[in-house]
Amino acid sequence: GDSVTQMEGPVTLSEEAFLTINCTYTATGYPSLFWYVQYPGEGLQLLLKATKADDKGSNKGFEATYRKETTSFHLEKGSVQVSDSAVYFCALSSASGGSYIPTFGRGTSLIVHP
Amino acid sequence: DAGITQSPRHKVTETGTPVTLRCHQTENHRYMYWYRQDPGHGLRLIHYSYGVKDTDKGEVSDGYSVSRSKTEDFLLTLESATSSQTSVYFCASAGEGEKLFFGSGTQLSVL
Repeated sequence: GDSVTQMEGPVTLSEEAFLTINCTYTATGYPSLFWYVQYPGEGLQLLLKATKADDKGSNKGFEATYRKETTSFHLEKGSVQVSDSAVYFCALSSASGGSYIPTFGRGTSLIVHP
Repeated sequence: DAGITQSPRHKVTETGTPVTLRCHQTENHRYMYWYRQDPGHGLRLIHYSYGVKDTDKGEVSDGYSVSRSKTEDFLLTLESATSSQTSVYFCASAGEGEKLFFGSGTQLSVL
């Protein structure tokens, strides 16, 4: 079945540091790929998405590129802020019998210090 | 953002009692999902629905049932709660675009 593997956290950075959170996936067919963010005490919200190979999703300074050859969708940001502290989930969505079945990674906690 | 609400937000119950969690969305989304979130496991799919009265099992469906009698409502029932079902439960909905909209979660404690 489909699966998503992302780097374990927590990832601890100083403000303005460069961020990379690795994500790889296994799926049949051509899934869409997503990054969701969860702030403390809240539900997840979509950060960015990409629907086909070589697409780049971007939002709020975060970027990720759909790499089919390496089955990866790594999240990057050039300069993190304290307000970026949250848990980040990589996910894929593939069609199955007419339904979309989202599969999530285990999440990576990011802690940014001033 | 999509209007999706979960109730209750917090629930404490005893082992062996039935529990129903409610999810309500106002976006006329076709797809709805129930997940549980546990440390070290991330989000795991319990059940999902692809239309009124159309539901199917996810990867951790044992001990749970669901019902969807209206497009906007998706109920999750624990027939006889166990301590292993202590968790945070999230409901989500999606239209045809695959993007999920999540509720704020229900913290369930089974003592």
